[in-house]
Amino acid sequence: DAGITQSPRHKVTETGTPVTLRCHQTENHRYMYWYRQDPGHGLRLIHYSYGVKDTDKGEVSDGYSVSRSKTEDFLLTLESATSSQTSVYFCAISESDYTEETQYFGPGTRLLVL
Amino acid sequence: AQKITQTQPGMFVQEKEAVTLDCTYDTSDPSYGLFWYKQPSSGEMIFLIYQGSYDQQNATEGRYSLNFQKARKSANLVISASQLGDSAMYFCAMRDISGSARQLTFGSGTQLTVLP
Repeated sequence: DAGITQSPRHKVTETGTPVTLRCHQTENHRYMYWYRQDPGHGLRLIHYSYGVKDTDKGEVSDGYSVSRSKTEDFLLTLESATSSQTSVYFCAISESDYTEETQYFGPGTRLLVL
Repeated sequence: AQKITQTQPGMFVQEKEAVTLDCTYDTSDPSYGLFWYKQPSSGEMIFLIYQGSYDQQNATEGRYSLNFQKARKSANLVISASQLGDSAMYFCAMRDISGSARQLTFGSGTQLTVLP
């Protein structure tokens, strides 16, 4: 199994509060991704990183920011959480961006915004 | 337009029988990869099998095989000899050149239930 951990695994927060989710990998992979999973939508890309301090937006990036100061850590921040951000968040990693490269996923973080 | 379509929200199969989960995709890129993931009730995403657009043969991994029909743009997952532990949500996904960092684009999933 790929060495990917996410913290926290579960979080309940209130609307308007900032929230930071952490993804940590031990594989030294260059690419890291944040996805959210909602019923009926599969997984959708929020942001991704292609190296330390190199990040870019995905298809559902509004309301989220990311940072990557070390190869092994990728942080996702909800600046001011809203109920629409209640979701399951998955981190993924891959060695390259080649189309044949598999992305491996962390265990997920369940976030509830009240 | 949907890039990945899974038309079966739910499927049932008897234990020890084979089952096919459908997936069609849409891309104009000549190079792409097709992936299947399994998500059990515990929630993790488990990679099952990969098929490349240039692969001449269908991919196989143990009891999993991929029925790849390029002209029809379909990549169906076949699970042989179903087991109770196969009950899970199954996602088809594609990685092509046009996505952000070759992101994975997922279908909406098929919930498979294996009956004893």
